[in-house]
Amino acid sequence: NAGVTQTPKFQVLKTGQSMTLQCAQDMNHEYMSWYRQDPGMGLRLIHYSVGAGITDQGEVPNGYNVSRSTTEDFPLRLLSAAPSQTSVYFCASSNIPGQGEDIQYFGAGTRLSVL
Amino acid sequence: AQSVTQLDSHVSVSEGTPVLLRCNYSSSYSPSLFWYVQHPNKGLQLLLKYTSAATLVKGINGFEAEFKKSETSFHLTKPSAHMSDAAEYFCVVTGPGYSTLTFGKGTMLLVSP
Repeated sequence: NAGVTQTPKFQVLKTGQSMTLQCAQDMNHEYMSWYRQDPGMGLRLIHYSVGAGITDQGEVPNGYNVSRSTTEDFPLRLLSAAPSQTSVYFCASSNIPGQGEDIQYFGAGTRLSVL
Repeated sequence: AQSVTQLDSHVSVSEGTPVLLRCNYSSSYSPSLFWYVQHPNKGLQLLLKYTSAATLVKGINGFEAEFKKSETSFHLTKPSAHMSDAAEYFCVVTGPGYSTLTFGKGTMLLVSP
């Protein structure tokens, strides 16, 4: 029972490099989202998706792109990494409200450092 | 829009004493409210959830929270702290249509022997 799987667990980038954080869930959840966690800031929503082919911006979307080609996967792309993107990133998934249990399940996180 | 304020960034208790973590929320509709816990270098785990069925919500590991609409509060309590409760706790409110979650900034619970 994998739940929400994030890869990699750790990553170090140089300023200007690009990379993709992977997120996969095996619970057939329609709703998926990406958060970043910074000290004293709680978790802030970057992007979310309510189903394949549908994405929307959260509170802090700048510098990040997402796509949702399948129900299972929701990758987060950093096109040109900046030191301000040093953070811990969490992916989460859940059912859409009214269609079953809507508790959000979180991955274990990706710790990203941009030098 | 909705918002959530966790009134204490750190709370220190002794093992065996009660725990109170305070959360106030703001919402223009009937929200769903959650408490999540995060142990060091781990992901987030749901402690409990309020969705208007009952104002007193019981969660895992002996935690409970009471929804008070008149005070717009959703405080988390536990009668007796255990060393394993040391973690960061987040109060969360949902947005319209549950499209987004808004997190508080977190309360770090420290438990001393």
